[in-house]
Amino acid sequence: DQQVKQNSPSLSVQEGRISILNCDYTNSMFDYFLWYKKYPAEGPTFLISISSIKDKNEDGRFTVFLNKSAKHLSLHIVPSQPGDSAVYFCAAFDGGYQKVTFGTGTKLQVIP
Amino acid sequence: EAQVTQNPRYLITVTGKKLTVTCSQNMNHEYMSWYRQDPGLGLRQIYYSMNVEVTDKGDVPEGYKVSRKEKRNFPLILESPSPNQTSLYFCASSLSPGGNYNEQFFGPGTRLTVL
Repeated sequence: DQQVKQNSPSLSVQEGRISILNCDYTNSMFDYFLWYKKYPAEGPTFLISISSIKDKNEDGRFTVFLNKSAKHLSLHIVPSQPGDSAVYFCAAFDGGYQKVTFGTGTKLQVIP
Repeated sequence: EAQVTQNPRYLITVTGKKLTVTCSQNMNHEYMSWYRQDPGLGLRQIYYSMNVEVTDKGDVPEGYKVSRKEKRNFPLILESPSPNQTSLYFCASSLSPGGNYNEQFFGPGTRLTVL
C-alpha cells in the first residue's frame, strides 16, 4: 500500500513559468515532510521541508505548501529554470516509528 | 568534505553469491538508512539504524541484512542474491531521525545486477 503518492510521473514546463509538483499521503501520523531532487547518476539531494504544524515554507524559488485536511502537499518552483530538470521525490516522516516513506517521483523537464 | 560513500558503484553478480555493499559517512550522523530505487516504485526503505547496534526493518527488508557496529559504517548484506534484487541502491544518513534534522544525505548509489 503506497502511503505517499506522486500521481504525475512527469511534468513539462517552459522556462520562467511556475512548476507545481504534487504529493498525496494517507498516513495521518506523518509529522514532517521533505522534498528531494535527483539528477541522473547521482543520489537524491535535500531541497526543502515542512513540519506538520505549518502550512507553508519558502526558500528562494522553492515553496512547499501543506494541506493537512486534504493530506496533500505541493512544491512550487518560481521561476523554473532548465537546471531544475530532475526527478523530484516527496518524503514523509513518521515520528512514532522513526521511518521515512518516499513517493514514486515526478520527472520535471524545464524547456528553455 | 561531508559525504556519504558507497562501494562498489556498479556490481554484476550471479544468483546465490553473497555480497556486501559498504556505506560510510563522515558527518557523525546517528541515523542511517538503505533504500532501493526501482522504476515506478520510487525509493523504498530496506533497513534503517538509529544508532550503533540499533537497526530496524524498513518496508522491503526481505533478502537483506545490515549491521551497525560503528557509527560511521552501515553495510548492506545480501546473503543469497536473487534476480529480483537487481536495483539501484542508496545509502543515506542524517543527524537525527526526525524534526529539523531529518534532512538525509545520500550516497551516489550502487547499481546491482543479479544474473
